[in-house]
Amino acid sequence: GIQVEQSPPDLILQEGANSTLRCNFSDSVNNLQWFHQNPWGQLINLFYIPSGTKQNGRLSATTVATERYSLLYISSSQTTDSGVYFCAGGGMFSGGYNKLIFGAGTRLAVHP
Amino acid sequence: DGGITQSPKYLFRKEGQNVTLSCEQNLNHDAMYWYRQDPGQGLRLIYYSQIVNDFQKGDIAEGYSVSREKKESFPLTVTSAQKNPTAFYLCASRNRDFPTDTQYFGPGTRLTVL
Repeated sequence: GIQVEQSPPDLILQEGANSTLRCNFSDSVNNLQWFHQNPWGQLINLFYIPSGTKQNGRLSATTVATERYSLLYISSSQTTDSGVYFCAGGGMFSGGYNKLIFGAGTRLAVHP
Repeated sequence: DGGITQSPKYLFRKEGQNVTLSCEQNLNHDAMYWYRQDPGQGLRLIYYSQIVNDFQKGDIAEGYSVSREKKESFPLTVTSAQKNPTAFYLCASRNRDFPTDTQYFGPGTRLTVL
């Protein structure tokens, strides 16, 4: 089945720094999402981005579907950005149903 | 407010007991999902339901059961057959209104086997 790899696994930043998180997937997907999981476990959808570039405030994401990777950019990081960032690739996989495959996540800690 | 609710937030189970985790959504989404998350890992799909009265096994369905009698509700039962049930359980629903196709998550239930 499809494999989703995220890098780096862990990231420590000083407040105000910029960072780039990467997601590689082993096969073509027709759905690519980025999520943020806060320290209490809640997952929030950041982007639905099967291709192209989107921006939302200090966050932006780019997916190059032909090369099977996606990038999440965090600019001017804040302590509230801490948590785990997941990417998930989706499509009509074996079994005949649409599902998301999650990567292992990037654990981000932003220090003041 | 529209959203997904899960209860209880924390659940403790003795070995050999079945327990049921609740998931309710008022987003009018057809598809709902159950995921399991172990410490330091990503999410793995347990069960999936596209519409009422229909559901399919995900990647780790053994030891779990679900029902989908109402559009709003998708409860998960962790049976005694699940050998290592201690984990964080997340319920989600899917919004397919073009141009988006996104999943929205509940706050989760932390299950601990004593």
